[in-house]
Amino acid sequence: DVKVTQSSRYLVKRTGEKVFLECVQDMDHENMFWYRQDPGLGLRLIYFSYDVKMKEKGDIPEGYSVSREKKERFSLILESASTNQTSMYLCASSFGTGRGAGANVLTFGAGSRLTVL
Amino acid sequence: GDSVTQMEGPVTLSEEAFLTINCTYTATGYPSLFWYVQYPGEGLQLLLKATKADDKGSNKGFEATYRKETTSFHLEKGSVQVSDSAVYFCALSPYTGANSKLTFGKGITLSVRP
Repeated sequence: DVKVTQSSRYLVKRTGEKVFLECVQDMDHENMFWYRQDPGLGLRLIYFSYDVKMKEKGDIPEGYSVSREKKERFSLILESASTNQTSMYLCASSFGTGRGAGANVLTFGAGSRLTVL
Repeated sequence: GDSVTQMEGPVTLSEEAFLTINCTYTATGYPSLFWYVQYPGEGLQLLLKATKADDKGSNKGFEATYRKETTSFHLEKGSVQVSDSAVYFCALSPYTGANSKLTFGKGITLSVRP
């Protein structure tokens, strides 16, 4: 069964700490995504990557950075965590690039719930 | 920019009731449309999709038809079960985009009573 695995289901961090959220997929997908999910706001795209070492900002990139050194791994980094970054973070991946890739399905991980105190 | 609007929730139904969840979108061109479902404690998973006008996506008794004239993709099920209790998200992806970047609606929580 194909999988997107997020390394931590629950994390509790303190304001100002550096936080790493790791995501690994075993489907050889080109595209990987980080979303955050908040009640009443749905899912909002933070960053995405369509190739190794490539990244593009999503709708809410402020306060976050990403790293994609290998095709299967996409990391989300909070350089200095703040309380307003308390949220559920969802990683996803998908196959294919180019025209028509928008029809391809995203496969999601189970999520990482981050609490910043 | 692209956007998805879902009806306000939550929705509570009795088992075997008929379900409609409204979804409308704003996008240029011909986006692909999706419904994703999130069961408690899990990530999102695809429920169904449609990639062109008048296509009907279906899965697990759920259906949605891509209506370009009304820019809608309403989700329906004739008889809901307790196991359908979940959060439902409508989403779109631009066909001409170089990847499958999704724009999501806010989601709606469905609770089904026995």
